[in-house]
Amino acid sequence: AQTVTQSQPEMSVQEAETVTLSCTYDTSESDYYLFWYKQPPSRQMILVIRQEAYKQQNATENRFSVNFQKAAKSFSLKISDSQLGDAAMYFCAYNTNAGKSTFGDGTTLTVKP
Amino acid sequence: GAVVSQHPSWVICKSGTSVKIECRSLDFQATTMFWYRQFPKQSLMLMATSNEGSKATYEQGVEKDKFLINHASLTLSTLTVTSAHPEDSSFYICSKSGRGQFFGPGTRLTVL
Repeated sequence: AQTVTQSQPEMSVQEAETVTLSCTYDTSESDYYLFWYKQPPSRQMILVIRQEAYKQQNATENRFSVNFQKAAKSFSLKISDSQLGDAAMYFCAYNTNAGKSTFGDGTTLTVKP
Repeated sequence: GAVVSQHPSWVICKSGTSVKIECRSLDFQATTMFWYRQFPKQSLMLMATSNEGSKATYEQGVEKDKFLINHASLTLSTLTVTSAHPEDSSFYICSKSGRGQFFGPGTRLTVL
């Protein structure tokens, strides 16, 4: 079975600084997808960034980028120029073509003004 | 805009009653949808996979007779919590697959 591990229950960052959230996963599949989702207090899940396992290039979305290390089964999220609106719970997730996702336990990010 | 809607967003019911939650795909048909449950400050746990026109597939430990799933149309899946009890109080989220799963806004269930 696939597992996703987020080892940082809580993280904090100063506004305008950079923070990295860690995620490791375990799978025997070769074709899969990895995601980072943001869940603000409204609890609406918001897709932050997506990475296809077959792509070597790390995905980027504006201030958000990932460091995807397939051999190490590591998928960290870097948030640059942190903003107050980035404060939320962040979930790392694994998905295959079957469609259902396996989520990590989440990391609560606090942004200090 | 939102591609998945859920109704209701919040429901309070008495113990022993049944509650139906609707999950609707707004932009295109969804033959497969997913139901998750999330307790406060915890992760999302997959409950079941809803398949249009056939029986849902439940995850281990989820009681299929308690959590009834119906996916009668290509845009609507429903989750009915039967004979709800206080321990069923939780946040229920549906989703469909896409470029990254698309999630509904969730339904907060409080059972008194």
